[in-house]
Amino acid sequence: EAEVAQSPRYKITEKSQAVAFWCDPISGHATLYWYRQILGQGPELLVQFQDESVVDDSQLPKDRFSAERLKGVDSTLKIQPAELGDSAMYLCASSLPRTVSTDTQYFGPGTRLTVL
Amino acid sequence: LAKTTQPISMDSYEGQEVNITCSHNNIATNDYITWYQQFPSQGPRFIIQGYKTKVTNEVASLFIPADRKSSTLSLPRVSLSDTAVYYCLVLPYGGAGNNRKLIWGLGTSLAVNP
Repeated sequence: EAEVAQSPRYKITEKSQAVAFWCDPISGHATLYWYRQILGQGPELLVQFQDESVVDDSQLPKDRFSAERLKGVDSTLKIQPAELGDSAMYLCASSLPRTVSTDTQYFGPGTRLTVL
Repeated sequence: LAKTTQPISMDSYEGQEVNITCSHNNIATNDYITWYQQFPSQGPRFIIQGYKTKVTNEVASLFIPADRKSSTLSLPRVSLSDTAVYYCLVLPYGGAGNNRKLIWGLGTSLAVNP
């Protein structure tokens, strides 16, 4: 069964450092999501891509976070500089094109970020 | 996006049937109801999706009344491994976007006891 790949699985960094997360969606899935999940809360959507275009990044803290999906396949989420409050699980998900689906999302294993 | 309301937590015992209800009073005509399961330190996993009446798969059943203002996820004969957080989402056909925000609530934390 095809899966969403994410790396690294765990990342420990010091505040003010830069971090980057990578996601490879399921082949053929045009829609890609980055979520942040703080312990005990539901996932919070940071950015949604349709192919290489951003559909929604209204919750992305753009002063320190950036996301790209240059060729419409894999994606990178970057934080610079990292702050203590960024410690969370970062989840990537993908789904079939919006026009032909109800957005059933398939999630990767996530990256656990700890900022010291 | 239609706002959903679920119980924060539920307790059950092995072998029992568990029903988790989700309220979505302002569901739109083209909205579907989707449930996800999440284990600690893992990403959510799709369980079941429906539009109306009843949907059943190998994992669960989803009951949706005629007015579609609520839905009930039914897990038959739960085991310890069903201990997880369950999320109810309401999404339009064609997905979120076009000013339809994708919002996940706190979900329902189900604890299955021996």
